[in-house]
Amino acid sequence: DAGVTQSPTHLIKTRGQHVTLRCSPISGHKSVSWYQQVLGQGPQFIFQYYEKEERGRGNFPDRFSARQFPNYSSELNVNALLLGDSALYLCASSKQGWEQYFGPGTRLTVT
Amino acid sequence: AQTVTQSQPEMSVQEAETVTLSCTYDTSESDYYLFWYKQPPSRQMILVIRQEAYKQQNATENRFSVNFQKAAKSFSLKISDSQLGDAAMYFCALNNNDMRFGAGTRLTVKP
Repeated sequence: DAGVTQSPTHLIKTRGQHVTLRCSPISGHKSVSWYQQVLGQGPQFIFQYYEKEERGRGNFPDRFSARQFPNYSSELNVNALLLGDSALYLCASSKQGWEQYFGPGTRLTVT
Repeated sequence: AQTVTQSQPEMSVQEAETVTLSCTYDTSESDYYLFWYKQPPSRQMILVIRQEAYKQQNATENRFSVNFQKAAKSFSLKISDSQLGDAAMYFCALNNNDMRFGAGTRLTVKP
């Protein structure tokens, strides 16, 4: 079975721009979570969606938003990019939210 | 608030030896899950082992085992017969509705 997939792999954006990151969960998984991992640190929780409903939100500004589609794939959107948004963005899927399986991540660089 | 603390930024072990990585956590909930994830330099986060808080028996997965002390809020990972492929960042994580990660321990395996 295919694992969690994320696109794009790498992305370079300029300050003030907007970015959309995409994630496809493992087949049969209905929950998707997003994390930000700054170099040298552990992942920080951004959002969790289950059955297309937001189930949890971490301590991130309103510039960050997400949604989950009927096929359970998900998008993470970040507006008005700042240099500090440069990080690895990880998507994880799970059946109900407890045991999560991660994708390879999207490396975002903001210049 | 939920917190996860990994007090060992770096650890080193000789190939074929045993190493223990430490993790402590804090939560006011009685029902939660604990995980150890491995992140090799290629960056994909891999689930190593899981522990349900309601289970007293320590989880074991081949060479990996945990010492779960619920009252002490401690969750250490023991790697037996260490292999070169075990070299990676190891993250301890606590999941109670949202996943919280520790800062990680970088494990080096010496041949």
